[in-house]
Amino acid sequence: GENVEQHPSTLSVQEGDSAVIKCTYSDSASNYFPWYKQELGKRPQLIIDIRSNVGEKKDQRIAVTLNKTAKHFSLHITETQPEDSAVYFCAAHEGNSGNTPLVFGKGTRLSVIA
Amino acid sequence: DSGVTQTPKHLITATGQRVTLRCSPRSGDLSVYWYQQSLDQGLQFLIQYYNGEERAKGNILERFSAQQFPDLHSELNLSSLELGDSALYFCASSVGAGTEAFFGQGTRLTVV
Repeated sequence: GENVEQHPSTLSVQEGDSAVIKCTYSDSASNYFPWYKQELGKRPQLIIDIRSNVGEKKDQRIAVTLNKTAKHFSLHITETQPEDSAVYFCAAHEGNSGNTPLVFGKGTRLSVIA
Repeated sequence: DSGVTQTPKHLITATGQRVTLRCSPRSGDLSVYWYQQSLDQGLQFLIQYYNGEERAKGNILERFSAQQFPDLHSELNLSSLELGDSALYFCASSVGAGTEAFFGQGTRLTVV
């Protein structure tokens, strides 16, 4: 089955700096890669996703890149703000058969220091 | 509000007991996923259903079982509870494979 590795487990940055979180996946059939943000005591919420036919996707200060050959994808947050502090999860999914689960990495706890 | 409803929000029970967690997916969503999140842990996949059928299983203990009913709501049954089963249990739903999964607010289970 799919295995998703996520690094680093914790990340501290100064406000205004950039943050990068990296994930690798094992199943070459995976074609959908979402990123979720979970604030303390709340549910995970999707912040951005990318499909395997696209190499990069941006949404304001957030961007995700995908390297299918190397089977890794990354989340980039620019101009970080204190409200970006949260746990971020990457996930991978084989979205064609419907028989595979959405598998998450172990998460990255991001702290933005004002 | 994600549209996914989980009940109850909190549950405290004793070791050896059995509990049932309920999830109502968003209207129109056919896929339901269950995840376990222990303290400072990630989202451990338990089981997935699609339109009433089991589609994938993760590292779900034999003491745990689940089902999805014709109205698409799902229940996760946890039996012979142990202290280590204390966790936040999330349900998520999506239209289908490869689409955004929306999470419920979770059920916090405490086993004492």
